[in-house]
Amino acid sequence: AQTVTQSQPEMSVQEAETVTLSCTYDTSENNYYLFWYKQPPSRQMILVIRQEAYKQQNATENRFSVNFQKAAKSFSLKISDSQLGDTAMYFCAFMKYGGSQGNLIFGKGTKLSVKP
Amino acid sequence: NAGVMQNPRHLVRRRGQEARLRCSPMKGHSHVYWYRQLPEEGLKFMVYLQKENIIDESGMPKERFSAEFPKEGPSILRIQQVVRGDSAAYFCASSLGTGGSYNEQFFGPGTRLTVL
Repeated sequence: AQTVTQSQPEMSVQEAETVTLSCTYDTSENNYYLFWYKQPPSRQMILVIRQEAYKQQNATENRFSVNFQKAAKSFSLKISDSQLGDTAMYFCAFMKYGGSQGNLIFGKGTKLSVKP
Repeated sequence: NAGVMQNPRHLVRRRGQEARLRCSPMKGHSHVYWYRQLPEEGLKFMVYLQKENIIDESGMPKERFSAEFPKEGPSILRIQQVVRGDSAAYFCASSLGTGGSYNEQFFGPGTRLTVL
């Protein structure tokens, strides 16, 4: 069974600084997807970034980028130029590739506070 | 294009009553997923449905819980004889499919169930 671990329950960062959130996972699969979701106080789940395991290049979306280390089964999220609106829970998630398995497996989350 | 709709947003039930949670997927999406989020926890997969079919219910409790996604109308998550431990936020997500870029799951705002 796959598991996702986020070892930082809470983090804080000053506005405009850079912060990195950690995520590790365990799987015997070779092909899979990894995601970071953001959940602000409104509780709406918002996709931040996704990574296909077969791609060596790290995904980037504006101020958000990942460091994907497949051999180490590590998938960290870097937020550059942090903004107050980045304050939220951040969840790392895993999805198997193909077949009838479409469900996401989530970590317990990291609560990020951006301070002015 | 409307996003994933869930209703009600808040639902209060007394122990022993039934709870019905509704989810209308994004237009064109035929894959629906239900997740449960307990306080201070990540989302846990419950069930994955396509129109008129349950594809994967491995995360669903064996008793009292059922889900359907009829040919017409929203997907329904039904909890019979609710207990206090059922109090949680229930999220629905939808996707176009399960492969490639089609597997991105878009989440609804959730239904917060409180059992008194």
